[in-house]
Amino acid sequence: GAGVSQTPSNKVTEKGKYVELRCDPISGHTALYWYRQSLGQGPEFLIYFQGTGAADDSGLPNDRFFAVRPEGSVSTLKIQRTERGDSAVYLCASSPRLAGANEQFFGPGTRLTVL
Amino acid sequence: SQQGEEDPQALSIQEGENATMNCSYKTSINNLQWYRQNSGRGLVHLILIRSNEREKHSGRLRVTLDTSKKSSSLLITASRAADTASYFCATENAGNNRKLIWGLGTSLAVNP
Repeated sequence: GAGVSQTPSNKVTEKGKYVELRCDPISGHTALYWYRQSLGQGPEFLIYFQGTGAADDSGLPNDRFFAVRPEGSVSTLKIQRTERGDSAVYLCASSPRLAGANEQFFGPGTRLTVL
Repeated sequence: SQQGEEDPQALSIQEGENATMNCSYKTSINNLQWYRQNSGRGLVHLILIRSNEREKHSGRLRVTLDTSKKSSSLLITASRAADTASYFCATENAGNNRKLIWGLGTSLAVNP
């Protein structure tokens, strides 16, 4: 079956530009997570959705970052006025809503480079 | 923010040997999970151990959890070159929040 997909796989942009990163979760998974990962680091939590609502957005670094999931499936991470420090791999994961266990299924990531 | 700390940061062994990686964390947890990451397959879930469990096995993997010491270990037995990857522990903190907090990872190289 289809796993989590992310588009684009690579995005190069210039400082100050706006970017959108898309995530298609596994069908039927109600929880969706965004992380970002810098070289040599573990993933860093950004935001997670349960259905359409953001259950926890405490990891978003500042108000330039915003994410939506309007129909409870596909999610878009939006970054305004990009900065060089935003360069990283942005990872999306999904999981079914199960009491207790919370294995997350990851997409391949979007590598964002801000020049 | 990072919670887990894995050690060692890097490990190099020969095929057939066992590899042990450790993870420490700081807060009370619901569960702790181990993931593998390599360039070919991205991040893949390996095993989840709940806070009320002490040991779990899956194939060549053995995970232990000591909540009194806030630590976990991952043992890979009879390693193979294909096990070469970075290994991360991630914790789901106690409560209803399902986000994962990750460590920095252990880079494992298994030499043929």
